[in-house]
Amino acid sequence: DGGITQSPKYLFRKEGQNVTLSCEQNLNHDAMYWYRQDPGQGLRLIYYSQIVNDFQKGDIAEGYSVSREKKESFPLTVTSAQKNPTAFYLCASSMETGTGSYNEQFFGPGTRLTVL
Amino acid sequence: QKEVEQNSGPLSVPEGAIASLNCTYSDRVSQSFFWYRQYSGKSPELIMSIYSNGDKEDGRFTAQLNKASQYVSLLIRDSQPSDSATYLCAAYSSASKIIFGSGTRLSIRP
Repeated sequence: DGGITQSPKYLFRKEGQNVTLSCEQNLNHDAMYWYRQDPGQGLRLIYYSQIVNDFQKGDIAEGYSVSREKKESFPLTVTSAQKNPTAFYLCASSMETGTGSYNEQFFGPGTRLTVL
Repeated sequence: QKEVEQNSGPLSVPEGAIASLNCTYSDRVSQSFFWYRQYSGKSPELIMSIYSNGDKEDGRFTAQLNKASQYVSLLIRDSQPSDSATYLCAAYSSASKIIFGSGTRLSIRP
């Protein structure tokens, strides 16, 4: 069963805590992405990675960190520096052709993070 | 700032009618365009990709692309209540990034 999994589905964070969101894919995709979605809003790119051991900041990287040690995995850490982390977090992956074709992104089910 | 613009809606369409969703983009070098459907509380699901000017049909869905006008649209024929969702338009930008619009909320009324 190919796809993208995210865990946990719901996560609660106390003030001052770091939390890590898991994202795993078995689609053999090169590129992986993290987005944040606030209620009634579009998707905002946090970080993305085109290859193992390399990643780039997106539009709202402050207060977040990532790693890409394996092709299949792209965990996101929400640090205590992120002042307003309550949101729906979405992980996506795509083949990487470099030409713009066949680079559809496919999404995992998401993690809903709430700050207590 | 490269942008993808959509009317936020809500767009209300009677069951069985054609729903027409529109999107404009600012980056002239964009080559690939996508439509995603997102049900409330769920993640986006890819429903159409289009790369060339003209129409692309898949079942009840037709995507239309006009690069000269920087305009993408999605038509849904024979609209069903299950089509009620938010539809996200997206354009491939440079450096492996896709730019998403903020979405159009579609409501199909029985």
